[in-house]
Amino acid sequence: DADVTQTPRNRITKTGKRIMLECSQTKGHDRMYWYRQDPGLGLQLIYYSFDVKDINKGEISDGYSVSRQAQAKFSLSLESAIPNQTALYFCATSDTRTVTGELFFGEGSRLTVL
Amino acid sequence: AQKITQTQPGMFVQEKEAVTLDCTYDTSDPSYGLFWYKQPSSGEMIFLIYQGSYDQQNATEGRYSLNFQKARKSANLVISASQLGDSAMYFCATQGTQGAQKLVFGQGTRLTINP
Repeated sequence: DADVTQTPRNRITKTGKRIMLECSQTKGHDRMYWYRQDPGLGLQLIYYSFDVKDINKGEISDGYSVSRQAQAKFSLSLESAIPNQTALYFCATSDTRTVTGELFFGEGSRLTVL
Repeated sequence: AQKITQTQPGMFVQEKEAVTLDCTYDTSDPSYGLFWYKQPSSGEMIFLIYQGSYDQQNATEGRYSLNFQKARKSANLVISASQLGDSAMYFCATQGTQGAQKLVFGQGTRLTINP
């Protein structure tokens, strides 16, 4: 089983619908992140959380909200989806205690908004 | 603020040849890390290699090495003896050790290995 699990892996929805992408991790890491990747582009940070009580906006947080329900769970919501939110979404984790601080990614959630 | 620039949108290399993927960075943090990730066509992000800004030696991991030139602010990835399975997108990223410690990515280079 993957250490960082994202659900759903694929979702097609319509404009105006509310969508939630969920992320859970078994790595015991304190930090969690949501990134968005548009076709042919790098990853852009949406939100990040350094612990359950700490939520921070990233570069492109407009139109998104998050909830850190527990250390292991971090969900991303699109309150009213629009077509330009069609993208591949990644959840990632990292451990404050490591020297490198590398991110461990989930397998991605591909969202299509019609 | 941090910024990563990858100037090669695509590269084509013959199998078994070495390949260098370019990455330049800009950061105001006195201490930072540099990362390379691989994204195959299946979509997952795979961590390849890390270089700390105060590391004296260039990082190596198997066939991957990072050519770190601090004065030039470059952190090029070198893949030796390329294989067909190396065909993928490659992303360079940087993370400061102060403040928010967010990982900032470049736009990536698509590497194609030809048989």
